[in-house]
Amino acid sequence: GQQVMQIPQYQHVQEGEDFTTYCNSSTTLSNIQWYKQRPGGHPVFLIQLVKSGEVKKQKRLTFQFGEAKKNSSLHITATQTTDVGTYFCSYNNNDMRFGAGTRLTVKP
Amino acid sequence: EAEVAQSPRYKITEKSQAVAFWCDPISGHATLYWYRQILGQGPELLVQFQDESVVDDSQLPKDRFSAERLKGVDSTLKIQPAELGDSAMYLCASSPTPTGENQPQHFGDGTRLSIL
Repeated sequence: GQQVMQIPQYQHVQEGEDFTTYCNSSTTLSNIQWYKQRPGGHPVFLIQLVKSGEVKKQKRLTFQFGEAKKNSSLHITATQTTDVGTYFCSYNNNDMRFGAGTRLTVKP
Repeated sequence: EAEVAQSPRYKITEKSQAVAFWCDPISGHATLYWYRQILGQGPELLVQFQDESVVDDSQLPKDRFSAERLKGVDSTLKIQPAELGDSAMYLCASSPTPTGENQPQHFGDGTRLSIL
């Protein structure tokens, strides 16, 4: 069945450092979404990727969808304390699934 | 504050009791989802509605959980009887159409359930 791994589970960075989280699937995904959940908050939609090799940018955030549509990444350049939270990938292959999430902490 | 309304925000109850959660999605959103999120984990889909019909409830523990969306608008999720392992955040989300058709999900603030 569908297996999607999200890594790393935790990432602690110094403010200003870069951060990347990855979602890797054993099978091809039709699309992938990324969400951010602040501590004590609810998931908030960031972006959706649909096309093979797609790259989208939102200010300091860069999202990629692999050529084979089996992996995706979220990269944050020069992290800020406001980036703190857990980042989830989400996908729909017959039913909605979320990755386990990568929890980002940023030291000022 | 989330556009998807959920109540209550917090619920503390004893095991074996019944508990109910309510969700009012964004107006006009046809698809409604109920998720359970255990601390430190990603949301786990319990049930998905398209209008008033259940589209997916494969992960819903049907011996104790039930969900309805009678008029295709707001929805109720019930647990009876509650067990200690049910302690979690219960999130409701909605989208205009199923997310497989390229629509983001909008989440409510959730109901944090604690079973004593």
